[in-house]
Amino acid sequence: GGIITQTPKFLIGQEGQKLTLKCQQNFNHDTMYWYRQDSGKGLRLIYYSITENDLQKGDLSEGYDASREKKSSFSLTVTSAQKNEMAVFLCASSRGNTLYFGAGTRLSVL
Amino acid sequence: GQQVQQSPASLVLQEGENAELQCNFSSTATQLQWFYQSPGGSLVSLLSNPSGTKHTGRLTSTTVTKERRSSLHISSSQTTDSGTYLCAIDITGNTGKLIFGLGTTLQVQP
Repeated sequence: GGIITQTPKFLIGQEGQKLTLKCQQNFNHDTMYWYRQDSGKGLRLIYYSITENDLQKGDLSEGYDASREKKSSFSLTVTSAQKNEMAVFLCASSRGNTLYFGAGTRLSVL
Repeated sequence: GQQVQQSPASLVLQEGENAELQCNFSSTATQLQWFYQSPGGSLVSLLSNPSGTKHTGRLTSTTVTKERRSSLHISSSQTTDSGTYLCAIDITGNTGKLIFGLGTTLQVQP
């Protein structure tokens, strides 16, 4: 079996700060995803990547950048953290139809 | 409006009772998945069921594609089944770009 590791588990930032979230997978999956989970809004897709160096925007890409320099890793950058923002960022990978998720990074912005 | 609607929003059962969770969606789905999210935990894929009936352990999913609905039946519920159950569809042709519902929160009491 494989695992998806997200770091850090908790991230506290300041308003306006640039923050980077990292994700590693050892499934050797081609496609990776970043989803954001907000209370009362469900999960929404931010970015996904179908192979190394590929980036595709999801519905929520504004305010974010992503990078897929290696097949095994996919990072997400919040370009300017918003005051009082609180959300969970979930990374996933897939081959075929099944997605495998990491445990998430919980973001709080002061 | 929400493309994937789940009901009920929450459900409280006694251990041993059966649970029936519903998912209705407004677009034609090429893929439908049910996920489980433990309190504070990551998402785990339970079943991938775009049409028909599928079983795994105590779980049965029935999807009627023409009617754009799916159900998840949990038989003989256990306290460890407590958590949130999410339904997600792919409308773009099995790309893994999932649209999630808000979930059903299940609490199984001993």
